[in-house]
Amino acid sequence: DQQVKQNSPSLSVQEGRISILNCDYTNSMFDYFLWYKKYPAEGPTFLISISSIKDKNEDGRFTVFLNKSAKHLSLHIVPSQPGDSAVYFCAASARLTSGANSKLTFGKGITLSVRP
Amino acid sequence: GAGVSQSPSNKVTEKGKDVELRCDPISGHTALYWYRQSLGQGLEFLIYFQGNSAPDKSGLPSDRFSAERTGGSVSTLTIQRTQQEDSAVYLCASSHGAQSNNSPLHFGNGTRLTVT
Repeated sequence: DQQVKQNSPSLSVQEGRISILNCDYTNSMFDYFLWYKKYPAEGPTFLISISSIKDKNEDGRFTVFLNKSAKHLSLHIVPSQPGDSAVYFCAASARLTSGANSKLTFGKGITLSVRP
Repeated sequence: GAGVSQSPSNKVTEKGKDVELRCDPISGHTALYWYRQSLGQGLEFLIYFQGNSAPDKSGLPSDRFSAERTGGSVSTLTIQRTQQEDSAVYLCASSHGAQSNNSPLHFGNGTRLTVT
C-alpha cells in the first residue's frame, strides 16, 4: 500500500520556466511533509518542508503548496535551472500521532530534467 | 568529514553469503535510520534507532535482516544468506532526533549492493 504517491516518473522543462512536481498521499495522519533532492550516486538532500498547519512555504526559488482536503502537495521551482536536474522525492510523516521522531514515508521520486 | 559516511560504497556478493554494511552518522545526531532503494522504487524504510530506546524494526523485510547501533553512534546493517531481491542501494540517515525544519534527515551516499 503506497501511502505517498508521485505518479509522474519524469518531467522536462525549459530553463527559466516553472517546474511543478506533484505528490499525493493517502494517510490522513500525515502532518509533516518534505521534499528531498537526489543527484546520481549521492544520498538525498533536504530541500524544503511544510507542516500541515500551513498551506504554503517558500524558500528562494522553491515553494511547497499543501492542499490538505485533496491530500495533495506540490513543489514549484521558478525559475528552473539546469542544476535543478535531479530526482525529487516527496516524503511525509505523522508527528502528532507517532511523535517527533516518526519515520518518513517516501514516494518513488520524479526525475526532473531542465533543458538549457 | 561532517556528513554521514557509509561503507563500502559498492558491494558485490554471491547469493547465500552474508554482508555487513556500515554507517557513521553525523556526530551528535541521536537518531539513525536505514532505508533502501530498489531499482525504480522509492525509499523503503527498514529500521530506526533513537538514543537508548528500542529500535523500530517494523520495516525489516525478513529475519535475514538485522541492525545494531553500538554506543549510540556507528550502525551496521547485516543481511544473512543474501538473495537477488536484496540488490538495492542501502541508505543511512541521521538527525538530531526531531523531525523539524531544523533537523531534517541527513543521508549518506549509500551502499550499492549487488547479489549475483
